[in-house]
Amino acid sequence: DQQVKQNSPSLSVQEGRISILNCDYTNSMFDYFLWYKKYPAEGPTFLISISSIKDKNEDGRFTVFLNKSAKHLSLHIVPSQPGDSAVYFCAASTDSWGKLQFGAGTQVVVTP
Amino acid sequence: DAGVIQSPRHEVTEMGQEVTLRCKPISGHNSLFWYRQTMMRGLELLIYFNNNVPIDDSGMPEDRFSAKMPNASFSTLKIQPSEPRDSAVYFCASSFLGGGRGNNEQFFGPGTRLTVL
Repeated sequence: DQQVKQNSPSLSVQEGRISILNCDYTNSMFDYFLWYKKYPAEGPTFLISISSIKDKNEDGRFTVFLNKSAKHLSLHIVPSQPGDSAVYFCAASTDSWGKLQFGAGTQVVVTP
Repeated sequence: DAGVIQSPRHEVTEMGQEVTLRCKPISGHNSLFWYRQTMMRGLELLIYFNNNVPIDDSGMPEDRFSAKMPNASFSTLKIQPSEPRDSAVYFCASSFLGGGRGNNEQFFGPGTRLTVL
């Protein structure tokens, strides 16, 4: 039962342009959302998060938007850089113990 | 500061053998998570501990899998006997779960790539 879905397995974007990654969820009890970035042969690293009481959170080039009514969140990367090429995972939590459910990931390739 | 440490980084074993994966969480963290990543199932949570106590092991696939956390600085994930379908990358992650919600950031180790022949 995949409660967090990333329907785009891959995304190619030119350097300097905007990358938009999407994530949908089915569990309305999720109240905290995170994005992780993963390079090959490394573990995922935390990128940015958002609480369900907000609809936007920004950190430098990264902005996460949350639309609770649509059960949808997105990650915007502006401007995209070659170092942003990685797999991005969306994750959600409803558990006070910090348990996360992850999406399948989106491979982002930033081309020069 | 050292991050989450996992060993070994790579493990190749034959079907039927016992496999033990090890994890040292970040000092001061009180929660530890074991994940498995495969092409078919993505990143799935196997078990997690809080203050060394297993909280939820519903993700452990079979009785062949077991995990322990004897102290705050060490955890093991054991597979006995191992099977080819256990081949995957196993990640350990740790976090600090405080009194209030708001930061569930988990810090991941580099993973152990397990190949069962």
